[in-house]
Amino acid sequence: AQSVSQHNHHVILSEAASLELGCNYSYGGTVNLFWYVQYPGQHLQLLLKYFSGDPLVKGIKGFEAEFIKSKFSFNLRKPSVQWSDTAEYFCAVSPMNRDDKIIFGKGTRLHILP
Amino acid sequence: DAGITQSPRHKVTETGTPVTLRCHQTENHRYMYWYRQDPGHGLRLIHYSYGVKDTDKGEVSDGYSVSRSKTEDFLLTLESATSSQTSVYFCAINGGVLSGANVLTFGAGSRLTVL
Repeated sequence: AQSVSQHNHHVILSEAASLELGCNYSYGGTVNLFWYVQYPGQHLQLLLKYFSGDPLVKGIKGFEAEFIKSKFSFNLRKPSVQWSDTAEYFCAVSPMNRDDKIIFGKGTRLHILP
Repeated sequence: DAGITQSPRHKVTETGTPVTLRCHQTENHRYMYWYRQDPGHGLRLIHYSYGVKDTDKGEVSDGYSVSRSKTEDFLLTLESATSSQTSVYFCAINGGVLSGANVLTFGAGSRLTVL
């Protein structure tokens, strides 16, 4: 069974700082990878996804993530965060072509200081 | 949210009572899921469905049952609610790989409090 590990449970940054949130997964086969975001009081929304091809994927609001297969990692990055990025971020993985099992990490709560 | 609605949005109940949460979609997606969200645990999959009358267990299925008699509806039932089931429950839908959209779309959530 697959699993997802997010290294940071709570991150506090000042505006304009650079962001990197770690995500590692455990699964022996090919995977699809996702980052979802949950803004305060809202439901989860897709930030970006990786299915195949270029391992550097770009998402909404200036976020990007890099899939490093040898490290089983899919870290989320943003060069300069804004106060509006305050949210909880979830990494998720599913085996390729297996739509039935999408497993989430425990989430990283990001707090941006104005 | 467009395409997926959950009801009720808020419910307070007592230990030992049955509770049913409903998820309704208008997207005709094949896959439907129930997750619970708890502080420190993130999102955990309870049950999922890959078609009418086809369901399977997730990570934390004990104490929960589901039914899917129509494509558009996926019901989550707590036969006898316990305080440990106090949580926010999210339904999600997925068109699947074959639809070219293997991405979850979430409902707004149902906050359940068991006293």
